Amino acid sequence: QKEVEQDPGPLSVPEGAIVSLNCTYSNSAFQYFMWYRQYSRKGPELLMYTYSSGNKEDGRFTAQVDKSSKYISLFIRDSQPSDSATYLCAMSFQGINDMRFGAGTRLTVKP
Amino acid sequence: NAGVMQNPRHLVRRRGQEARLRCSPMKGHSHVYWYRQLPEEGLKFMVYLQKENIIDESGMPKERFSAEFPKEGPSILRIQQVVRGDSAAYFCASSRRDSNTGELFFGEGSRLTVL
Repeated sequence: QKEVEQDPGPLSVPEGAIVSLNCTYSNSAFQYFMWYRQYSRKGPELLMYTYSSGNKEDGRFTAQVDKSSKYISLFIRDSQPSDSATYLCAMSFQGINDMRFGAGTRLTVKP
Repeated sequence: NAGVMQNPRHLVRRRGQEARLRCSPMKGHSHVYWYRQLPEEGLKFMVYLQKENIIDESGMPKERFSAEFPKEGPSILRIQQVVRGDSAAYFCASSRRDSNTGELFFGEGSRLTVL
């Protein structure tokens, strides 16, 4: 079993749809949870960061962490074609040094 | 305000040759991380370095791979005697000394193709 599981998709939605991206994990010691966005042929960039359980909202993006279920989600409201990218979840125990990444979900938002 | 700079962006090598990938971290960042990304797979941690020190190389293959981050100049990931399985995108990332927010700043990657 992988430490971090993420459905690779691809996921295709129409413009304006609500997108839900998810990851599950096996190690309950993870404390920090991140979502990175990676455009084609580019490096990943940090989108959202949360510590422990709870929700965090930033504009059209909401990150949720449910430690009891070992499940994290990223919601994108009013999705735009510019949101088309691969979204990688990541989590760590203490900080950057021990981050584990999911395989990434490829999202396409069609105009 | 340059970001993380990686070069070359694309590198083609024949089996048995050496590949050298370079990474200059963001200004003010003293921590460098190397990751490998294969198609349909996530980023795999390889090595974590600070200036002149390897802090964690638990993700590095035991043979043919080495990394350094000298006092002056970029960090270098070196792959000797490349094989086809080394073909991948190699990403460098940097962070501030005291960052514990998980914020890694990534370069655009170096794509290695082994013929």
